[in-house]
Amino acid sequence: SAVISQKPSRDICQRGTSLTIQCQVDSQVTMMFWYRQQPGQSLTLIATANQGSEATYESGFVIDKFPISRPNLTFSTLTVSNMSPEDSSIYLCSVEGRGGSADTQYFGPGTRLTVL
Amino acid sequence: DAKTTQPTSMDCAEGRAANLPCNHSTISGNEYVYWYRQIHSQGPQYIIHGLKNNETNEMASLIITEDRKSSTLILPHATLRDTAVYYCIVRVRSGGGADGLTFGKGTHLIIQP
Repeated sequence: SAVISQKPSRDICQRGTSLTIQCQVDSQVTMMFWYRQQPGQSLTLIATANQGSEATYESGFVIDKFPISRPNLTFSTLTVSNMSPEDSSIYLCSVEGRGGSADTQYFGPGTRLTVL
Repeated sequence: DAKTTQPTSMDCAEGRAANLPCNHSTISGNEYVYWYRQIHSQGPQYIIHGLKNNETNEMASLIITEDRKSSTLILPHATLRDTAVYYCIVRVRSGGGADGLTFGKGTHLIIQP
């Protein structure tokens, strides 16, 4: 399985500011995904990030609020823009690998965001 | 919406087998059954997946009924570290261009000492 790291692991931010979350994988992967997990809830898919193309957003999520970059096959960023307390969540990236793990998603440890 | 139904919570004694059921009555022929678990405050951990045959790995066994409308995840000798939320997910398996996962509410498994 892929080894995935996220930075920061947690942060406390003021409303109206923005935070960029990084996701790094130890091997090249085709697909990367970003999820949100609100307090006490299950995971919800935000968007799919493919290298060299625009991210594809799920219903209820827009690029202006959650811009995503995918500059290469091992790295992606998610920015949470103009934050409000409702954005307080755990944000997770996941990857879908090639080869033997091409059909399985593996998750990073998550970034716990608190907005005051 | 999630295509699976799971009990909200279950208890199991340490050392016993934990059997977690999942209903997926609308599963399509090309959809696989995946199981993940999430230990508090961590990212979800992949456990196992299958199409129609029973599967076993070092973590668990997956039993899928012949009509594929339900399945059971079996943790053969549960330990306290198996306390987690377990998610049953159905999705099309693909080698590229895959969709994200749709998580339901899962089953909160509590292993009792």
